[in-house]
Amino acid sequence: DIQMTQSPSSLSASVGDRVTITCRASQSISSYLNWYQQKPGKAPKLLIYAASSLQSEVPSRFSGSGSGTDFTLTISSLQPEDFATYYCQQSYSILLTFGPGTKVDIE
Amino acid sequence: EVQLVESGGGLVQPGGSLRLSCAASGFTVSSSYMSWVRQAPGKGLEWVSGIYSVPATYYADSVKGRFTISRDNSKNTVFLQMNSLRAEDTAVYYCARIPSGPQGPLGYWGQGTLVTVSS
Repeated sequence: DIQMTQSPSSLSASVGDRVTITCRASQSISSYLNWYQQKPGKAPKLLIYAASSLQSEVPSRFSGSGSGTDFTLTISSLQPEDFATYYCQQSYSILLTFGPGTKVDIE
Repeated sequence: EVQLVESGGGLVQPGGSLRLSCAASGFTVSSSYMSWVRQAPGKGLEWVSGIYSVPATYYADSVKGRFTISRDNSKNTVFLQMNSLRAEDTAVYYCARIPSGPQGPLGYWGQGTLVTVSS
C-alpha cells in the first residue's frame, strides 16, 4: 500500500497568516493527490483535487501544488473558518490512503 | 442534488455483525465509484472499502475477509456488511462517492453513522 505522511501534525497560527502543509507519498503518485478539510463532528470536505485543482465554491486562498511524491497545501491568508484538520489522500492506487492529518488551531 | 445518507450504526458486541446502508440520491450507484471511510474517535481518516461500476470490490487489509461491500441498484443503496467485529472497528463510518472516475477524489460524503464495538 502507498503510505502518506504529513507535516506538521499540528500548527498554531493567527488570522491573516500564510499557512503551508506538506504531504509526502511513499512512492510516486503522479498528481493523484487530494486535500480535505474536516471540522469537529462534520464529514470531510474536498478542497483540492489532482494536486492543484480547486474544488467548486472553495475560496481561492486555498491552493495546492506538487507532483510525484511531494505536495503542498497553502492557505494564503488564514480566516477564522479555516481552523480545522486537513488531510491529504492519494487516489493513484485503487486502495486509497490518507495522511494522518494536520490540525490548524488558533495561536 | 447529490445526497448520501448512512444508517445502520449502533452498539454491537465483539464478534458480532452489523450492516451499514448508504442511500443515494441525485445519481445512480450502479454507474458510480463508491467508498466507505471510517474515523475512530479522535483519530484520522481510514479508507475501508470501495465498489466500482465494473463491478469490482476492494478492501483495506484491516477489514479484508470480515467486511463485504455491495450495492442494490433497485434501491440505489450501497451496503457494508461487517462481521467478526472488533473493538478497533469502533468508528464513525462515512459513505463517499468519487464522481469523476476511479482515480478521482471523494467529492461527496454522507454525514456518517457511528459503530461502537463493546461488551
